[in-house]
Amino acid sequence: DTGVSQNPRHKITKRGQNVTFRCDPISEHNRLYWYRQTLGQGPEFLTYFQNEAQLEKSRLLSDRFSAERPKGSFSTLEIQRTEQGDSAMYLCASSSLGGGGYGYTFGSGTRLTVV
Amino acid sequence: RKEVEQDPGPFNVPEGATVAFNCTYSNSASQSFFWYRQDCRKEPKLLMSVYSSGNEDGRFTAQLNRASQYISLLIRDSKLSDSATYLCVVNRQDKIIFGKGTRLHILP
Repeated sequence: DTGVSQNPRHKITKRGQNVTFRCDPISEHNRLYWYRQTLGQGPEFLTYFQNEAQLEKSRLLSDRFSAERPKGSFSTLEIQRTEQGDSAMYLCASSSLGGGGYGYTFGSGTRLTVV
Repeated sequence: RKEVEQDPGPFNVPEGATVAFNCTYSNSASQSFFWYRQDCRKEPKLLMSVYSSGNEDGRFTAQLNRASQYISLLIRDSKLSDSATYLCVVNRQDKIIFGKGTRLHILP
C-alpha cells in the first residue's frame, strides 16, 4: 500500500443515474478527504472523515451526495440523480491526525462525465 | 470573495527566466501554507511548505507575509519541466483550501 487509490479512474453516466466512487487511503492515515475539481478551478473541499466519523460537509455537498467510511478504512462517495453540473474530477486525499495540512496524499482521481 | 486568490495566468515565460507568483488569503485564522503543483489531468502534489522566515528548495523560494496575508513563490532558472499549474494552499480547521491555481508555460 504505497498511495491513495481511487476507482474507477473514469466514469461516463447518463443524467439521472446514480454513481459511486471508491477511495482507499494510505492504511495508517486516519483522515480522509473528498474534493471536487472542475476545469480551470482548484480543488474544492467537499467533506472529510476522521476514522469512520464524518466531521465536516461543505455546502457544495447537496442532498444528492453522500459519503461514507464505514470501518474507518476505505470511503465511498455516491451521487444520486446525476446532473451535467456534476461532471468534474473527484479527488480523494488522506493524511494522519494532527497533520496541520502536512502529509496530504492525493489519489489520481475519478473523472466523472455526465451526458 | 474566494478564501484564496491567485492570478490564473497563464504565465508564458522563456526557459531560464525567473518567474514569481503571488497569492492572498482572506482568513487570518489560516494556520499553515503550501504550494502544490498540478500537471495536466493529474492529482495535485505538494511542492513546498511556506514559512514566514522564507524557505528555499533548489530553484524554488517561498515566502509568507502574515501581516499582509500574502504568499509568494519564486522559480529561478525555469525549466521546460516546470510547466504546470501552481496551487496556493492554506490549512484551516483541519482541512486544506486551494486557490484556483496559476498556469505556467515555459517556452523553449
